[in-house]
Amino acid sequence: DAGVTQSPTHLIKTRGQQVTLRCSPKSGHDTVSWYQQALGQGPQFIFQYYEEEERQRGNFPDRFSGHQFPNYSSELNVNALLLGDSALYLCASSLEWARNEKLFFGSGTQLSVL
Amino acid sequence: QKEVEQNSGPLSVPEGAIASLNCTYSDRGSQSFFWYRQYSGKSPELIMSIYSNGDKEDGRFTAQLNKASQYVSLLIRDSQPSDSATYLCAVSNTGNQFYFGTGTSLTVIP
Repeated sequence: DAGVTQSPTHLIKTRGQQVTLRCSPKSGHDTVSWYQQALGQGPQFIFQYYEEEERQRGNFPDRFSGHQFPNYSSELNVNALLLGDSALYLCASSLEWARNEKLFFGSGTQLSVL
Repeated sequence: QKEVEQNSGPLSVPEGAIASLNCTYSDRGSQSFFWYRQYSGKSPELIMSIYSNGDKEDGRFTAQLNKASQYVSLLIRDSQPSDSATYLCAVSNTGNQFYFGTGTSLTVIP
């Protein structure tokens, strides 16, 4: 049973560039959430996708956008990268009907913006 | 006011001792409470979940919840060096958004 998979593992970009991160949820899961974790901080909620729609969004600018595909996989896009966007980006999957239960995290994408 | 607050530590305990980690939250509507363990450079891994007042035990781990005091704790008995990690407290009210604390760094000294 495949867990949550994320790609790429590491990414280096320069300021102003755009980046796309990818996530495949755990088998059977239909909901994908994205979190940003800066060094020494806890994960911060970016947004959540269910039925290919963004259902809730955290306090992140419009430069952060996402998408969910019919197979439940998801992408996180960040435009006009800033140095402060350097962080570990975590994808988490869950089941809509059990959404108050635990999140399953992927191994994350470490983004460095130079 | 932060949604979830934890002492950042570091917390050091000798091997075999009990480690006690604490967390407070601000939203009284919170329904679900979790402890995650995160090793350096890795993603968070679920340790415990708790949904009602009282204690919940799982092996060497015990989670305690007091909704009246808006307080969650995690006890680790017989601490091992492999327990050395950052422990994240997470809280959710609707399940759409989980709020995480900044984590408490635990070091178990052999």
